Amino acid sequence: DQQVKQNSPSLSVQEGRISILNCDYTNSMFDYFLWYKKYPAEGPTFLISISSIKDKNEDGRFTVFLNKSAKHLSLHIVPSQPGDSAVYFCAVLNAGNMLTFGGGTRLMVKP
Amino acid sequence: EPEVTQTPSHQVTQMGQEVILRCVPISNHLYFYWYRQILGQKVEFLVSFYNNEISEKSEIFDDQFSVERPDGSNFTLKIRSTKLEDSAMYFCASSGGYRNQPQHFGDGTRLSIL
Repeated sequence: DQQVKQNSPSLSVQEGRISILNCDYTNSMFDYFLWYKKYPAEGPTFLISISSIKDKNEDGRFTVFLNKSAKHLSLHIVPSQPGDSAVYFCAVLNAGNMLTFGGGTRLMVKP
Repeated sequence: EPEVTQTPSHQVTQMGQEVILRCVPISNHLYFYWYRQILGQKVEFLVSFYNNEISEKSEIFDDQFSVERPDGSNFTLKIRSTKLEDSAMYFCASSGGYRNQPQHFGDGTRLSIL
C-alpha cells in the first residue's frame, strides 16, 4: 500500500533550526490530511491537520503546507526543540473515516 | 486532557487462544477505531465503529476479529483464534465526529503470540 509515502526515514537537525518533514500521496481525491507524532511506547499523538480547501495551517511552532497539484504535504517545525525528537507520521483520511498512514520519519533534534 | 486508555499494555498468548483487548475511548466521542502496527511496518486500519455497529472494516479484519461496546465506556477487540502473524501493537482511537475530527489514540497493547 503506497498511497502515502514518507521518503525520508530519518532527519537530524540542530536545536533552534527548522525541521521540514515531507509526505507524498497518490490520490487527488483525498481531502483531509493530518500529522501525528509518536514517542516510543506511546500511541500516535495528533499534531495538526489541514483540509484540501486550504494550502497552509499554522499552530504555534507547527505549520503544515499542502500542495495539491504536486500531491505533497509538509510539516515545518520552527524552532526545533530536543523534545520534538520523535517519529512523525503523515496520514490521509481515506474514503469513509479511516486513516492511511505513511511509514514515518524519525526526527532527531540535537542540542 | 482527556485520553484514550488501553489495557493491558502487553498481552502474551498461545497460538490458537482467544484474546480480548480493551479500550476506554474519550467519554464524549462517538466514533471508535482499531489500528495495528506490525513491527517495522506501517500503522494499518482495522475497523471503525459507530452507533453500536461496524461502519467500516479493512481486509485484515476477517471473521477471526470482532468488536463490541459492552457498556457505555468500554470498546473491545476480540481475536478468536490467534495466529503468529497477529503479533503486533494494537491501537485504539476515538473521535468526536465524522470526518475532519482528528482521531486520538491510546498507547497501545503489544500482543505477542507464541
